[in-house]
Amino acid sequence: RKEVEQDPGPFNVPEGATVAFNCTYSNSASQSFFWYRQDCRKEPKLLMSVYSSGNEDGRFTAQLNRASQYISLLIRDSKLSDSATYLCVVNLPSNSGYALNFGKGTSLLVTP
Amino acid sequence: DAGVIQSPRHEVTEMGQEVTLRCKPISGHDYLFWYRQTMMRGLELLIYFNNNVPIDDSGMPEDRFSAKMPNASFSTLKIQPSEPRDSAVYFCASSNWTGGFTDTQYFGPGTRLTVL
Repeated sequence: RKEVEQDPGPFNVPEGATVAFNCTYSNSASQSFFWYRQDCRKEPKLLMSVYSSGNEDGRFTAQLNRASQYISLLIRDSKLSDSATYLCVVNLPSNSGYALNFGKGTSLLVTP
Repeated sequence: DAGVIQSPRHEVTEMGQEVTLRCKPISGHDYLFWYRQTMMRGLELLIYFNNNVPIDDSGMPEDRFSAKMPNASFSTLKIQPSEPRDSAVYFCASSNWTGGFTDTQYFGPGTRLTVL
């Protein structure tokens, strides 16, 4: 079983719609959580960290449910420029330090 | 400030040839990571360094892969001999570990490797 699992999509939504992605992780010792965004043929970039109390950055809201071991990302009023792959990332502590585990990503296409 | 720099951006080679990928991390960052991304397996961590020392190479697929970091501003990932299944995008990333839970990894643009 992979450490981090995401629905690959694609999610096709019209402009202005609200869309939500979920991600589950298998290791309850996971310490920190992130969403990265990856545009086509580009490198991943940090979108936002996910805090226990939930956090919001403009149109983006991230939630963490430790009991159920899942993370969510909500995008409101979606824009064409939101089209990308969204990677769920979980930081696992290890004896050697730490390691980020990436999900395979959820593809979003926002259409006019 | 310059981000993570990788070269070459594209590499096409024939099976059996040696391939060397290069990375210059962001100045001042003390962690450097090498990843491989394919459609089938997603983004996989191959190896990472802390202060130029390899910390965890458990993700390196086999002995054909090797990585070095001779100084704080340069790292290489070498594949010898290369095989078609090595075709992927190879990313280098760096970060500055502060002990917190929000440290960001900054990725380079990647090297798209095709082995024929």
